[in-house]
Amino acid sequence: EIVMTQSPLSLAVTPGEPASISCRSSQSLVSSDGYIHFEWYLQKPGQSPHLLIYFGSSRASGVPDRFSGSGSGTDFTLKISRVEAEDVGIYYCMQARETPHTFGQGTKLEIK
Amino acid sequence: EVQLVESGGTLVQPGGSLRLSCAATGFTLSSYWMHWVRQAPGKGLVWVSRISQEGTVRDYVDSVKGRFTVSRDNAKNTVYLQMNSLRVEDTAVYYCVRDLQKFSWWGQGILVTVSS
Repeated sequence: EIVMTQSPLSLAVTPGEPASISCRSSQSLVSSDGYIHFEWYLQKPGQSPHLLIYFGSSRASGVPDRFSGSGSGTDFTLKISRVEAEDVGIYYCMQARETPHTFGQGTKLEIK
Repeated sequence: EVQLVESGGTLVQPGGSLRLSCAATGFTLSSYWMHWVRQAPGKGLVWVSRISQEGTVRDYVDSVKGRFTVSRDNAKNTVYLQMNSLRVEDTAVYYCVRDLQKFSWWGQGILVTVSS
């Protein structure tokens, strides 16, 4: 099973400031087809998770461009260029390279 | 508008059975892999199972293998999760999810409580 490890597990950010979350996988998430099977999800308080980033760096439909994903192989980063109040919630990384698909522990973002 | 609506969740005793349903609207169900993901109270997300477009491929996390069965009826636009031999540790909100990559869409979730 591929293990996903996120850091930090929590962070508090002042509105307008940047934020960064890291995720490391225990195996490469690049498949033979060249795709990076790595996603970022956000679960806002009281809501279902929704997709932010797929294939490591592609923004999902409707996701603001202040969110960006980068990385390849085993190390990935989610960056928020300027945090807004609506960005609070728990961010999860996930690998879809193989089953069982696995999620990171989650990173709780709070506003200072 | 894409919608996934889960139903069938309830309180069940350990060892009991339950079938969850996921009704899909607003898209062609037969075009997508479908997944079940669960979240125990106050905990993180755990992938449970997936089923391919025609139902020919089905995968499970080890903790539910032999107890849970995923299925689908594309004509009825519905995905199912049959859960047998339920354990206290199966208590969670269960989410039905379309795809887990570019076209990901999640239902609102349904609570399953396993307790005596």
